Amino acid sequence: DAGVTQSPTHLIKTRGQHVTLRCSPISGHKSVSWYQQVLGQGPQFIFQYYEKEERGRGNFPDRFSARQFPNYSSELNVNALLLGDSALYLCASSHPDHSDSYNSPLHFGNGTRLTVT
Amino acid sequence: RKEVEQDPGPFNVPEGATVAFNCTYSNSASQSFFWYRQDCRKEPKLLMSVYSSGNEDGRFTAQLNRASQYISLLIRDSKLSDSATYLCVVNMLNTDKLIFGTGTRLQVFP
Repeated sequence: DAGVTQSPTHLIKTRGQHVTLRCSPISGHKSVSWYQQVLGQGPQFIFQYYEKEERGRGNFPDRFSARQFPNYSSELNVNALLLGDSALYLCASSHPDHSDSYNSPLHFGNGTRLTVT
Repeated sequence: RKEVEQDPGPFNVPEGATVAFNCTYSNSASQSFFWYRQDCRKEPKLLMSVYSSGNEDGRFTAQLNRASQYISLLIRDSKLSDSATYLCVVNMLNTDKLIFGTGTRLQVFP
C-alpha cells in the first residue's frame, strides 16, 4: 500500500506569493493533519481535518488555510508568503476508530520543502 | 516555557553504548506520549508509544513519570543506524494535536 504522498517535494516562491500544497492520505485513513517544521525545531501543528471537517487549528495566522476533499485528500494554502514561512511542511494521516480516536499513530509523508525568497 | 522540552544534544556515543534521553512536558493534562525518530531531511516516524507502566521494544525502553512530568527513552547496544534525531511527542486529553519537542540528536560512531 502507498504511504502518505505529498506534492510537490520542493518549491521556491517569492515573498507575497501564495502556495498550495497537496496531500493524499493512506488508503482508508480519514484524518489528515498538517505540520510545519522549521530547521532545527520540531514539527508545529497547523491543522487537522477529519471527515472533511476542521477538527483542530494551531497558532498560525489566517494566511494559512486548508481543506479536505471527499476522497480525504487535503490541500494546505498559504497566502502572502513571508520569508519565515520557509520550512518543511508535513502532512500526516491516521485512522482513528471510535474507541481510541486520540491515540492513533500518525503516518507522515515525505514533506514539501518550501523556500521563500 | 516550552510545552515539551528536550536537550537538543548532540549525544555522541560509540557503538554498543547505552544512551538515555529525557523529555519534560508542562501540561499535566497531557494524555498520550510517543517517541518519534527523524532521519536527516526525512519525515518523522513513530518509534514507540510510551505507557504508564513503561514499555520495551527490543533495544529500546520508554518510561513515563506522570508525577514529575517526564518521559525517557533508553537505547541499549547502540548501532550506527540509530544515528538520528529523537522527538518527544505528547498530546492533550481529547485532542488530536501532537506537540513535538525540538528533538535530541544522536550520533553513534564506530
